[in-house]
Amino acid sequence: SQTIHQWPATLVQPVGSPLSLECTVEGTSNPNLYWYRQAAGRGLQLLFYSVGIGQISSEVPQNLSASRPQDRQFILSSKKLLLSDSGFYLCAWSVPKPGQGNSPLHFGNGTRLTVT
Amino acid sequence: AQSVSQHNHHVILSEAASLELGCNYSYGGTVNLFWYVQYPGQHLQLLLKYFSGDPLVKGIKGFEAEFIKSKFSFNLRKPSVQWSDTAEYFCAVNVHTGRRALTFGSGTRLQVQP
Repeated sequence: SQTIHQWPATLVQPVGSPLSLECTVEGTSNPNLYWYRQAAGRGLQLLFYSVGIGQISSEVPQNLSASRPQDRQFILSSKKLLLSDSGFYLCAWSVPKPGQGNSPLHFGNGTRLTVT
Repeated sequence: AQSVSQHNHHVILSEAASLELGCNYSYGGTVNLFWYVQYPGQHLQLLLKYFSGDPLVKGIKGFEAEFIKSKFSFNLRKPSVQWSDTAEYFCAVNVHTGRRALTFGSGTRLQVQP
């Protein structure tokens, strides 16, 4: 069966420090991978998605970046965190279905990031 | 670009009351529609989905949703809620072309009082 691992679960970082959140998926090949941010009262905001190794689509211009160095690994990074980067970050995967839209997303447990 | 609107931000119901949460999307083409639920302290999980066929979709835990194409709506319903249904509910849409990601609504927080 497929599983998704996201870590760390919580993180407190000072303003200006770097960030690296990691997400890995097991039990499936060539998944679509996603980073979402969940803010209270604002739902889920798509940050990045990837349909393959090295292929990253950015949805929101900001100081975050994403990378997919391996098929089932998705990393969210920042060189210098801002206070506004605080939030709940969710990694997700889905089975690609070309021409048929998206299969359901499977979410990780999330990372609560607090920038101080 | 597609967008999703959930008009009810916070709903408070008593147990056994009926539930209907509104969801409207903006896109004229073929869509896939989803409802996700997030129980307190837990991760997001799929409640139900619509891809094609019967517009009335049954999900887990007695939930259902009806896709009304003419109204661009996918409202979530449950005839009789329980205290354990207290959670946040998210509607999401994905189109068949272009962007390979789901667009989510802002969520509706449901509080069921015993």
